[in-house]
Amino acid sequence: AQKVTQAQTEISVVEKEDVTLDCVYETRDTTYYLFWYKQPPSGELVFLIRRNSFDEQNEISGRYSWNFQKSTSSFNFTITASQVVDSAVYFCALTGAASKLTFGTGTRLQVTL
Amino acid sequence: DSGVTQTPKHLITATGQRVTLRCSPRSGDLSVYWYQQSLDQGLQFLIQYYNGEERAKGNILERFSAQQFPDLHSELNLSSLELGDSALYFCASSADNTEAFFGQGTRLTVV
Repeated sequence: AQKVTQAQTEISVVEKEDVTLDCVYETRDTTYYLFWYKQPPSGELVFLIRRNSFDEQNEISGRYSWNFQKSTSSFNFTITASQVVDSAVYFCALTGAASKLTFGTGTRLQVTL
Repeated sequence: DSGVTQTPKHLITATGQRVTLRCSPRSGDLSVYWYQQSLDQGLQFLIQYYNGEERAKGNILERFSAQQFPDLHSELNLSSLELGDSALYFCASSADNTEAFFGQGTRLTVV
């Protein structure tokens, strides 16, 4: 069975602070994909990134960066210089041999001025 | 805009009723997924269709059913509705083995 754990239920930061959202996963599949999705207050789920299990290279996209470490089964997400518009619930997700997504419980990020 | 269209955006109905949620996937995507998001269960996979055929089933109740039509749009039918079925229902689509793009969801309220 697959499992995604996002231990941080809620994080509050002040604008311009850096923040890291943790994600730990469990899977028996040798090939799998990891994802982050953002759910702003409006409710839609916005795709942010996909990483496959053979690619441990960290990725940076603007203020967003992702750290994938197979040795610790973690796929953490860092927002640098957070902004109020980053306030949302962020979901980490996993898919393996079956293409259905297994989601974590989400981390609610609140960025205040 | 993800390219996935879900209708209606909001639905309010009474217990015992039946509703149909509709999803149009992104152009060219053969896979359609349905997910349910509720406060107590989080985001749960319900069912997947690929090019008209059911491919995977998750935590979908027997009162719920889905289908994917030849034009690739999909419908999720929910019957004998209960208060606990109130949730946000998402449709997502993907090309095979790639990232899934989600629609804006249908918020179902059962009263």
